[in-house]
Amino acid sequence: RKEVEQDPGPFNVPEGATVAFNCTYSNSASQSFFWYRQDCRKEPKLLMSVYSSGNEDGRFTAQLNRASQYISLLIRDSKLSDSATYLCVVNRGNNDMRFGAGTRLTVKP
Amino acid sequence: GAVVSQHPSRVICKSGTSVKIECRSLDFQATTMFWYRQFPKQSLMLMATSNEGSKATYEQGVEKDKFLINHASLTLSTLTVTSAHPEDSSFYICSATRLAGNYNEQFFGPGTRLTVL
Repeated sequence: RKEVEQDPGPFNVPEGATVAFNCTYSNSASQSFFWYRQDCRKEPKLLMSVYSSGNEDGRFTAQLNRASQYISLLIRDSKLSDSATYLCVVNRGNNDMRFGAGTRLTVKP
Repeated sequence: GAVVSQHPSRVICKSGTSVKIECRSLDFQATTMFWYRQFPKQSLMLMATSNEGSKATYEQGVEKDKFLINHASLTLSTLTVTSAHPEDSSFYICSATRLAGNYNEQFFGPGTRLTVL
């Protein structure tokens, strides 16, 4: 079993749609959690950190459930520019980051 | 602007040659840098942790004699792929952690695409 698991997708949604991505992790000692965005042939870039209380940044909402070892990302009112691969990232500690395989999103006009 | 740079961005080489990739942290010092490899449509896989002034820590299955890491200064780590073969063709990405009090953020370099013919 992979340490960080994501549904690879692809998710193909129309502009304006709401889409949710899920991620599970197996190491219960993991310390912090993130969603990164990776565009084709580019490096990953931090989208947002994920906190137990849930956090929102504009159209993006992230949730963490430590008991279930589950992380989610919700994107509302999808834009064409949201098309990318979204990586669930878990920090084991000492910045030892473990990546999910990513969920690919395509937003269509 | 970019806080971590990598050079070169793209390399095409013949099988059997060695390739050196540089990773630099800009405007901050990084005692630890990380090297990842990403094959097409797969996730980033941590190869090794580069420690300034000491030996790198390699992940299981990564050959330390093939992937030489040198972290000679607080702003520079190098990865040398020795005797590269076509199966080493991949996207190599480094990262460095910028510390800021209780908060730290990991920044990734733009990556180096290696193609071994």
